[in-house]
Amino acid sequence: SQQGEEDPQALSIQEGENATMNCSYKTSINNLQWYRQNSGRGLVHLILIRSNEREKHSGRLRVTLDTSKKSSSLLITASRAADTASYFCATDPRTNAGNMLTFGGGTRLMVKP
Amino acid sequence: NAGVTQTPKFQVLKTGQSMTLQCAQDMNHNSMYWYRQDPGMGLRLIYYSASEGTTDKGEVPNGYNVSRLNKREFSLRLESAAPSQTSVYFCASSERGRGANEKLFFGSGTQLSVL
Repeated sequence: SQQGEEDPQALSIQEGENATMNCSYKTSINNLQWYRQNSGRGLVHLILIRSNEREKHSGRLRVTLDTSKKSSSLLITASRAADTASYFCATDPRTNAGNMLTFGGGTRLMVKP
Repeated sequence: NAGVTQTPKFQVLKTGQSMTLQCAQDMNHNSMYWYRQDPGMGLRLIYYSASEGTTDKGEVPNGYNVSRLNKREFSLRLESAAPSQTSVYFCASSERGRGANEKLFFGSGTQLSVL
């Protein structure tokens, strides 16, 4: 079963606009991570936010975490055509018996030049 | 550094055939993982190895076996392939393993079709 669910499933914007993707999850977590996947490639780690953190920045990326709502958002500011990719949230549930980072279904982002 | 290397990149099998997917990492990571990715399903964990000499089942282990050959290599074997195993398979690694708030490093994937 999927722990994280991204919303929207697909997003199309113009270059320069901001892109916001959301992730909801079901159980308490140790951390939440965001990954990017370019077409035909493996996933690349973008950012990790711990359960005791509320906001984190990395370059043009801003991630927020609301543990009371069990949700996170990824904001990409001033998007570029090169940001076109699928974005996945992944959660590290506290109930894990082992290393079972759980991924959502992803948001497909298209940035039009 | 190559990071995580998977072979082969593409494979077509007939139902009932067997094959082994190979994965190697050169980052001296302790933990390694095998995921499968299906459309709209995200990635699902098949098996993982928290450290050399140990392996554990993930969310979808049926029909698969794994071997942690040494610290660098973690292979995934399909003994009798089924069409339901048509998927893209990803190998990943992480430095220390459980509870360490770690990120995963992924290979570029193996696209497997079972006819």
